[in-house]
Amino acid sequence: EAGVVQSPRYKIIEKKQPVAFWCNPISGHNTLYWYRQNLGQGPELLIRYENEEAVDDSQLPKDRFSAERLKGVDSTLKIQPAELGDSAVYLCASSRTRRWEETQYFGPGTRLLVL
Amino acid sequence: QKEVEQNSGPLSVPEGAIASLNCTYSDRGSQSFFWYRQYSGKSPELIMFIYSNGDKEDGRFTAQLNKASQYVSLLIRDSQPSDSATYLCAVNVGNQGGKLIFGQGTELSVKP
Repeated sequence: EAGVVQSPRYKIIEKKQPVAFWCNPISGHNTLYWYRQNLGQGPELLIRYENEEAVDDSQLPKDRFSAERLKGVDSTLKIQPAELGDSAVYLCASSRTRRWEETQYFGPGTRLLVL
Repeated sequence: QKEVEQNSGPLSVPEGAIASLNCTYSDRGSQSFFWYRQYSGKSPELIMFIYSNGDKEDGRFTAQLNKASQYVSLLIRDSQPSDSATYLCAVNVGNQGGKLIFGQGTELSVKP
């Protein structure tokens, strides 16, 4: 079974530029998550999708961040414009459902550096 | 108080020893608890999950859960240098199915 796929793996941009990250979850997984992980910290949830519906985006900075999951499979997370403080690893994860006992599986992440 | 707290470490143990990693959480309604291992520069990978009070063993790993004390731990027996990584405790928050709150992680170093 293929794991969660993310691209790009690395991205370096200048502040105020836009950037987008792509995620393909494990086949059959209905729930998709975007996390941000700062250096030395645990991942923090940005947004969670149940199929194509965003069911929890309370921690997504909506002034500059946006996300979509068209057709309930792949997802894109966008930042526009990027700020220096956005430098982090952006992790995508998926699970079969959003039930409390489900395991979340993580992709390799995208390392973003904003200069 | 943070929702999920771990000792930041680093925790250093000699090869072959038992490593003990601890985690406390604040939401009494939490139902599921996960331990992830994260090597430097890599993404988190699941080691174990536990739902019920008591111990759960899987090979060299044992997870322990005490809901009354809001405490979960991970024991690694016969620690190996390859176990050197950051261990993340994650708690599924209350009735918000699927919402994991992570601790900041404990860095473990196993010395040969």
